[in-house]
Amino acid sequence: GENVEQHPSTLSVQEGDSAVIKCTYSDSASNYFPWYKQELGKRPQLIIDIRSNVGEKKDQRIAVTLNKTAKHFSLHITETQPEDSAVYFCAVSTGANNLFFGTGTRLTVIP
Amino acid sequence: DADVTQTPRNRITKTGKRIMLECSQTKGHDRMYWYRQDPGLGLRLIYYSFDVKDINKGEISDGYSVSRQAQAKFSLSLESAIPNQTALYFCATSDFARTNTGELFFGEGSRLTVL
Repeated sequence: GENVEQHPSTLSVQEGDSAVIKCTYSDSASNYFPWYKQELGKRPQLIIDIRSNVGEKKDQRIAVTLNKTAKHFSLHITETQPEDSAVYFCAVSTGANNLFFGTGTRLTVIP
Repeated sequence: DADVTQTPRNRITKTGKRIMLECSQTKGHDRMYWYRQDPGLGLRLIYYSFDVKDINKGEISDGYSVSRQAQAKFSLSLESAIPNQTALYFCATSDFARTNTGELFFGEGSRLTVL
């Protein structure tokens, strides 16, 4: 199966700074790369995703970049706010197949 | 509001007991999944079902079984619970047949403690 590595496992930033979380994957056939946010005590929810035919996607303060050659993709959060504090999971799938998740990054935004 | 509902939300049981976690959805999605979440290990797939007659093992199916009773219902059973099955369990759905994406919609989770 797919091997997804996610780094860092914890990340603390000052409010207003940027945060970057990186994931690598092993299967070159992977073509769908979503990011999920899980607030404390809540369910994971999709925040942004990207397909393999796109190198970058942006939605307000969050963006995802994909490097298919190097088999890694990253989540970028700019102008962080306290409500961005959560656990973030990357995931990978190959088309109709299932999602394989990274181990998560706990982001803390310090006011 | 269409949703994914899990019962029970919390359960404490003893080693050797049979436990069933239930999941129902009003989203009309075709695919349903059971994931397990452990600290530091992320979300790991236990079983999944692409339609009522389709059941597939995931990464960590040993010690678990499932039943897809209807398109909207997918239950997870632990035939003889053991302490290392203590975890947070999530049911999820996806609307792959219509959207051709793997976006998952999660239930609120069922926290299981096996003593």
